[in-house]
Amino acid sequence: AQTVTQSQPEMSVQEAETVTLSCTYDTSENNYYLFWYKQPPSRQMILVIRQEAYKQQNATENRFSVNFQKAAKSFSLKISDSQLGDTAMYFCAFMKHWREGHKLIFGTGTRLQVFP
Amino acid sequence: NAGVMQNPRHLVRRRGQEARLRCSPMKGHSHVYWYRQLPEEGLKFMVYLQKENIIDESGMPKERFSAEFPKEGPSILRIQQVVRGDSAAYFCASSSIRGETEAFFGQGTRLTVV
Repeated sequence: AQTVTQSQPEMSVQEAETVTLSCTYDTSENNYYLFWYKQPPSRQMILVIRQEAYKQQNATENRFSVNFQKAAKSFSLKISDSQLGDTAMYFCAFMKHWREGHKLIFGTGTRLQVFP
Repeated sequence: NAGVMQNPRHLVRRRGQEARLRCSPMKGHSHVYWYRQLPEEGLKFMVYLQKENIIDESGMPKERFSAEFPKEGPSILRIQQVVRGDSAAYFCASSSIRGETEAFFGQGTRLTVV
């Protein structure tokens, strides 16, 4: 069975600084997908970034980038130039190949607070 | 194109009552997933349904919980004889198996059992 571990319950960062959130996972699959979701106080689950395991290049979306280390089963999220609106819970998630459905396994989350 | 619609947003039930949570997937999506989020925890997978079929219910409690996704109408998550421990946010997501790598989430239903 797949597991996802987020070892940082809470993080804080000053506005405009950079912060990195950690995530490790365990799987015997070779083809899979990894995601970071943001959950602000509104509770809406917002997809921040995705990574296909077969791609060696790390995904980037504007200020958000990942460090994907497949052999180490590590998938960290880097937020550059942090903004107050980045304050939220962040969840790392694992998914097998989409042909098997989009069932997600989530970590326990990291609460990120951005200070002015 | 409307997103995933869940209703109600908030639901209060007394212990022993039934709770019905509804989820209308995005247009063109025929796969629905239900997740439960207990306070201060991550989302836990409950059940995966296609139209008229349950594909994976490995996360569903064995008793009191059931889910359906009929040919017509929304998907329903039903909780019978609710207890305080059922208080949580219930999220629905939908997808299509056409090469998309993303499932889209609704805004969730917060169930409070009093």
